[in-house]
Amino acid sequence: GESVGLHLPTLSVQEGDNSIINCAYSNSASDYFIWYKQESGKGPQFIIDIRSNMDKRQGQRVTVLLNKTVKHLSLQIAATQPGDSAVYFCAESSGGFKTIFGAGTRLFVKA
Amino acid sequence: DTGVSQDPRHKITKRGQNVTFRCDPISEHNRLYWYRQTLGQGPEFLTYFQNEAQLEKSRLLSDRFSAERPKGSFSTLEIQRTEQGDSAMYLCASSLGVLAGEQETQYFGPGTRLLVL
Repeated sequence: GESVGLHLPTLSVQEGDNSIINCAYSNSASDYFIWYKQESGKGPQFIIDIRSNMDKRQGQRVTVLLNKTVKHLSLQIAATQPGDSAVYFCAESSGGFKTIFGAGTRLFVKA
Repeated sequence: DTGVSQDPRHKITKRGQNVTFRCDPISEHNRLYWYRQTLGQGPEFLTYFQNEAQLEKSRLLSDRFSAERPKGSFSTLEIQRTEQGDSAMYLCASSLGVLAGEQETQYFGPGTRLLVL
């Protein structure tokens, strides 16, 4: 069945270092991928997305990489800041509205 | 603040009671989604509206759950005869859908946290 998962449930990084959060997906028909950030008590916040016809997309301090061969997605955060501490979800969608979320990775940023 | 609002933010109820949640999407967004999120998990899709039409319902949405979007703007999610297993965060999201079948960014509200005693 469809599944979106994350390799590591928690990630701890030093402030200023780069963070890499990984995600595996199993539905090869998925054509749209999104990363969300969720802080405690809030709804998920859109960070960046990528469509299946791309393998890299950059935003402000964030980069998403998509490797369709191994069905792997990653989120890179440059110069991680304390405000980046949150749970990060990858999500996938295949040709429509239904979005499937993974379980999340909690990012801790140490000052 | 994404522009999607939900009310109430918190709800405590006793098992067997009915509860209703409201979502106000971003005003120009024609698509509205409901999700459920339990502790430590990602949001799970419940249902989806295109304007006032409910186009898809998850198998998670038992017949005790009903959602409406009567005028294509705000939406309500009602749970009848609540059970302890209904305790979760209920999230609403909206998006501006232009092309049929094409995914677009969903913007989430802050959620309604439900606790069923």
